[in-house]
Amino acid sequence: AQSVAQPEDQVNVAEGNPLTVKCTYSVSGNPYLFWYVQYPNRGLQFLLKYITGDNLVKGSYGFEAEFNKSQTSFHLKKPSALVSDSALYFCAVRDKGAHRGSTLGRLYFGRGTQLTVWP
Amino acid sequence: NAGVTQTPKFQVLKTGQSMTLQCAQDMNHEYMSWYRQDPGMGLRLIHYSVGAGITDQGEVPNGYNVSRSTTEDFPLRLLSAAPSQTSVYFCASSYTSNRDSAIFGAGTRLSVL
Repeated sequence: AQSVAQPEDQVNVAEGNPLTVKCTYSVSGNPYLFWYVQYPNRGLQFLLKYITGDNLVKGSYGFEAEFNKSQTSFHLKKPSALVSDSALYFCAVRDKGAHRGSTLGRLYFGRGTQLTVWP
Repeated sequence: NAGVTQTPKFQVLKTGQSMTLQCAQDMNHEYMSWYRQDPGMGLRLIHYSVGAGITDQGEVPNGYNVSRSTTEDFPLRLLSAAPSQTSVYFCASSYTSNRDSAIFGAGTRLSVL
């Protein structure tokens, strides 16, 4: 079964410091991995995704994520946090091998991690 | 504007009332889905569709119906609202490829009294 775990409900970091939001996944096949961000009273916005190739993926707003197959992790990182990065972050996974009519296209989300960046 | 449009943004219902949450996209996406978001629960899939005329259940389908008569529209119907359905509902769409990121609507905040 496909699942995503975000072990931290909250992450607090001072502005200017590096940040990491953790994500681990479980899929029956190979994964496609995604990060989304949700600002208050807004929908989810796509940040970045891992499909194949380089394990380090760069996305919007200076965020990046590292795919680690052996640890089944896809942690979100940013070298220098901004107060405006404060938001709810979701990790999601799709099964690369899913076929039409089954789980094709289906995203499995973690519970979310609330990131707060203090000035 | 291109994207996923959800209406209404807010709704208050009484227990037992019915209503339809609307979702429309203009990107010719095949795949559409409905999620509900509850505190500490993340996003849970209610129903999804891989194309016009095809729908299927997600994790939490009870109390909800969907239909997909056109590629653009994917309405979610609450047949008899219950307080447990108080939530924020998001519609999302994407091409039917596991590589594609989904585009989300702004959400509908529903309260059932």
